[in-house]
Amino acid sequence: AQSVTQPDIHITVSEGASLELRCNYSYGATPYLFWYVQSPGQGLQLLLKYFSGDTLVQGIKGFEAEFKRSQSSFNLRKPSVHWSDAAEYFCAVGASNDYKLSFGAGTTVTVRA
Amino acid sequence: DTEVTQTPKHLVMGMTNKKSLKCEQHMGHRAMYWYKQKAKKPPELMFVYSYEKLSINESVPSRFSPECPNSSLLNLHLHALQPEDSALYLCASSQVLGQGTQYFGPGTRLLVL
Repeated sequence: AQSVTQPDIHITVSEGASLELRCNYSYGATPYLFWYVQSPGQGLQLLLKYFSGDTLVQGIKGFEAEFKRSQSSFNLRKPSVHWSDAAEYFCAVGASNDYKLSFGAGTTVTVRA
Repeated sequence: DTEVTQTPKHLVMGMTNKKSLKCEQHMGHRAMYWYKQKAKKPPELMFVYSYEKLSINESVPSRFSPECPNSSLLNLHLHALQPEDSALYLCASSQVLGQGTQYFGPGTRLLVL
């Protein structure tokens, strides 16, 4: 069974600074990997996804993520955060022919002025 | 267009009430999902429909009753809920079961008194 670990529960970053959120997964085959963002009281919005191919994936809102098979990681990055990036971020892993999407516990991002 | 809509946005109900949550998508997706999300936690899968048939029930109590009237609509009927059922209820859809990305709606915030 697949599992996802987001080691950082809470990250505080200054506006304009760079952001990196960590995600490690456990899965036997090539996983489908996702990053979702959830603003307070809102649903989950897809930031980006990786199925195959280029291991550096570009997403919406200036986010990117890199799939590293050797490290079982799919870390999310943004070069310069905006106050509107304050939210909860979830990494998720799925698989071909499997209905289940396994979520990490989430990382709360706070942006200070 | 990757929009999933949910109504109502907020719902307050007593433990003896009957209410329904509604979810709609017009992306031609044939798999639809109900999730329950408690504060500061990742979403938990409740039900999965594939081609309008219930495929997965993740051991959800019978006071939650899903229904898929057609390929675009998904309902969740609520009856005799408990205060601990208060949560954000999220609907999602994907092209087919086990393939591709799940797109989430904005959720219904439910409070059971």
